[in-house]
Amino acid sequence: AQKVTQTQTSISVMEKTTVTMDCVYETRDSSYFLFWYKQTASGEIVFLIRQDSYKKENATEGHYSLNFQKPKSSIGLIITATQIEDSAVYFCAMSYYGNEKITFGAGTKLTIKP
Amino acid sequence: NAGVIQTPRHKVTGKGQEATLWCEPISGHSAVFWYRQTIVQGLEFLTYFRNQAPIDDSGMPKERFSAQMPNQSHSTLKIQSTQPQDSAVYLCASSSRDRGSQNTLYFGAGTRLSVL
Repeated sequence: AQKVTQTQTSISVMEKTTVTMDCVYETRDSSYFLFWYKQTASGEIVFLIRQDSYKKENATEGHYSLNFQKPKSSIGLIITATQIEDSAVYFCAMSYYGNEKITFGAGTKLTIKP
Repeated sequence: NAGVIQTPRHKVTGKGQEATLWCEPISGHSAVFWYRQTIVQGLEFLTYFRNQAPIDDSGMPKERFSAQMPNQSHSTLKIQSTQPQDSAVYLCASSSRDRGSQNTLYFGAGTRLSVL
C-alpha cells in the first residue's frame, strides 16, 4: 500500500526566504507520480507541482521546485522568495502508474512572517 | 473553466437523516474522485470513477455510503442514516488523461457536512 509521511507538522519562516518541506514515501512499484498540493485558509486545495518517477530532473514550477531523491524515497518541496500568501497547509501525495488513486500525507502547516 | 463544482457548500443534518452531496467535474475530465477530510484522519480517499464506471471504492465505509456517476457531468455521494462521526468536509476532484497531467487531481471547494 502507498504511504506518504510528512514529519514536519508546522514551519514558520520570514518572508522572502527559502523554505524546504520534507516528504518520504513507501512504494512497491518503480513507476509512480509524486505531487504537492496547497490548502489555503479558505479550504481550497490547489495542485502545485508533480514529479514523475522516471524523470531524473527535478520539477520546477514558478517559485516551487522539488528535490527528488529516489534512492531515499524522498520528495522535498522548495519554495523560494516566500510571500505572505504562501502561508497554507502543504500536502505531499503519490499515486502509481495505472492506478489513479492518490494517497496524501498529513500535511505541513507553513506560516510566513512579515 | 469553472473548475470542479460542489453543492451544497454546507449541509447540516440530524442524526439518522440522509445526505446527498453533488459534484460537477471539470468539463472534459474523465475521472471523478471523492475524498473526506477531518482533523483526525486527514485526507481520506473514498472512491473514484473513470468514464462513469466505478473503479476503486476501497475507501468507502461498507455501510450507509454510496456513490454514483449517472453521466459525465455529475457524481453524487449519498450517506444514509448519517451519524455524528460522518461530520467532515467531503471533497470532489476530477482529472484528465492528457499526457503530462494524468493522475493530477483538481479539487472542488468541498461540502462541509455537520451531523447534529
